[in-house]
Amino acid sequence: DIQLTQSPSSMSASLGDRVSLTCQSSQGIGNYLSWYQHKPGKPPKPMIYYATNLADGVPSRFSGSRSGSDYSLTISSLESEDTAIYYCLQYDEYPLTFGSGTKLEIK
Amino acid sequence: EVQLVESGGGLVQPGRSMKLSCAASGFTFNNYDMAWVCQAPKKGLEWVATISYDGSSTYYRDSVKGRFTISRDNAKSTLYLQMDSLRSEDTATYYCARAWEGFDYWGQGVMVTVSS
Repeated sequence: DIQLTQSPSSMSASLGDRVSLTCQSSQGIGNYLSWYQHKPGKPPKPMIYYATNLADGVPSRFSGSRSGSDYSLTISSLESEDTAIYYCLQYDEYPLTFGSGTKLEIK
Repeated sequence: EVQLVESGGGLVQPGRSMKLSCAASGFTFNNYDMAWVCQAPKKGLEWVATISYDGSSTYYRDSVKGRFTISRDNAKSTLYLQMDSLRSEDTATYYCARAWEGFDYWGQGVMVTVSS
């Protein structure tokens, strides 16, 4: 199975900070990686698909990038509503696998 | 507007069965693969199963193979998850999701609690 390693597991940052979350794949998955924002009591919200594409309705301060087997979700200027757990998902092959998540808090 | 509405959750004893349903609307259901994703209490997201747009192919995570069955009724735009031989570790919120570029739409989720 493909393992996705997310780092850090948790972090806190200040409003307006630039924040980058990382997801490393144990095998090649091309660009078949997506990112989700998950808040308590709500379903996960798609943020990025195919590694770099912004999902519908997602603010432009979010972006996705790839360098080899390392994938990043970047928030250019952190806002209070961005507090959540962020998960990456590989959908290149079955079984589909999620990373363990990064908990992002505001200082 | 795409909507996915799950139903059928609740409390069930270990070893018993439960069937979840997901009513879809706002898109052409039979054009899309569909999936179930779960989240156990205080744990991360886990993919459970996927079914192809026409129902001809199904995929499962190892821990549910032989116990869970994903199916669909395209005439009713409804997705199902039949869960048999339930275990305490199956306790989770189960989400129905449209499987496009990962999962592009999600239902609100339904809680399944397996306990005696």
